Amino acid sequence: DTAVSQTPKYLVTQMGNDKSIKCEQNLGHDTMYWYKQDSKKFLKIMFSYNNKELIINETVPNRFSPKSPDKAHLNLHINSLELGDSAVYFCASTQGYEQFFGPGTRLTVL
Amino acid sequence: GENVEQHPSTLSVQEGDSAVIKCTYSDSASNYFPWYKQELGKGPQLIIDIRSNVGEKKDQRIAVTLNKTAKHFSLHITETQPEDSAVYFCAASLTGNQFYFGTGTSLTVIP
Repeated sequence: DTAVSQTPKYLVTQMGNDKSIKCEQNLGHDTMYWYKQDSKKFLKIMFSYNNKELIINETVPNRFSPKSPDKAHLNLHINSLELGDSAVYFCASTQGYEQFFGPGTRLTVL
Repeated sequence: GENVEQHPSTLSVQEGDSAVIKCTYSDSASNYFPWYKQELGKGPQLIIDIRSNVGEKKDQRIAVTLNKTAKHFSLHITETQPEDSAVYFCAASLTGNQFYFGTGTSLTVIP
């Protein structure tokens, strides 16, 4: 069974569109994250939620809005997509210190 | 905030040789140091971790050492195999809620 799952795996869209990425974890973890990995493989945290509450919000444009409908889900909605948003986005969850990552969503903005 | 530096950015070794990746951190309060392996097209996967009350930890061919005084920690892979080829990330954390990642090391094991 997949511990942290994301959909879709690939997302290709035009500049200016709005898109969402979904994440679900079946581990019963309290804390979930969104990371962005650029073309140089740098991993940068974007958001962190603990029990549906936002606890970390790094310097991310407000075009990015995370939503956590329940403890097992953390979705990422992106408005007015820009070329620079092209990257791989990873969802992760943590209980204690051990962090589990999803398989990633490769977003390409044309 | 915490700053984690990782070296080298790329590393090539012959199969059977050892590989060492080093990281330094800036915040002496950080107390948890995980290492992740990322294979092509996949998410990072935790392979080993160490807490600040321990100097060394080993799991089969993989070991991690921590020097709290110097604020650096290292990943050692012995008897490397082609399937060890991947990108490796170190990270540091204080609370277990926020992780600061190194810039990654692309390891290639040459058969």
